[in-house]
Amino acid sequence: SQQGEEDPQALSIQEGENATMNCSYKTSINNLQWYRQNSGRGLVHLILIRSNEREKHSGRLRVTLDTSKKSSSLLITASRAADTASYFCATDANNAGNMLTFGGGTRLMVKP
Amino acid sequence: DAGITQSPRYKITETGRQVTLMCHQTWSHSYMFWYRQDLGHGLRLIYYSAAADITDKGEVPDGYVVSRSKTENFPLTLESATRSQTSVYFCASSKAGRYSGNTIYFGEGSWLTVV
Repeated sequence: SQQGEEDPQALSIQEGENATMNCSYKTSINNLQWYRQNSGRGLVHLILIRSNEREKHSGRLRVTLDTSKKSSSLLITASRAADTASYFCATDANNAGNMLTFGGGTRLMVKP
Repeated sequence: DAGITQSPRYKITETGRQVTLMCHQTWSHSYMFWYRQDLGHGLRLIYYSAAADITDKGEVPDGYVVSRSKTENFPLTLESATRSQTSVYFCASSKAGRYSGNTIYFGEGSWLTVV
């Protein structure tokens, strides 16, 4: 079973627009991470936010975490065609040892 | 980058055959993982290893065997392949435990088709 569930499952936007992806999870966590996967490739770590943080930035990425709602969002600002990929959230649940549990992902298409 | 490599990248095998997917990492990371990725299921953990000679089951271990005699290698064996094991397999590694944030580094994947 998946701890994290991304929403929407697919998103199509124009270059220059912002893209927002959401992740909901079920149990309390130590941290939440976002990964990116280009078609046919492995996942690449983007950003980690700890349970005591509310917002984090990295370049054009902004991640928020609301532990009361058990949800996180990933915002990509001024999107580019090269941002086209699948984005996954992964949670490190308190009861899961060292294991990260991945959601099903959001497929983002950025049209030039 | 070549920190974690998987082989073969693509494999077609027949039902009932034994298949081994290899994974090698050059970072001396303690933790290594095997995930499978299927449409509709996301990534699911098959097995993981916290150190050499220490392995443990993940979410979907049935039909798979792992070993870790050396820190850098973590092969995954399908003892008798079934069509339901057709999937993309990802090996991954992580350098430390949970309190350091346990970011996971993935290989490029092994595409396995069982016919």
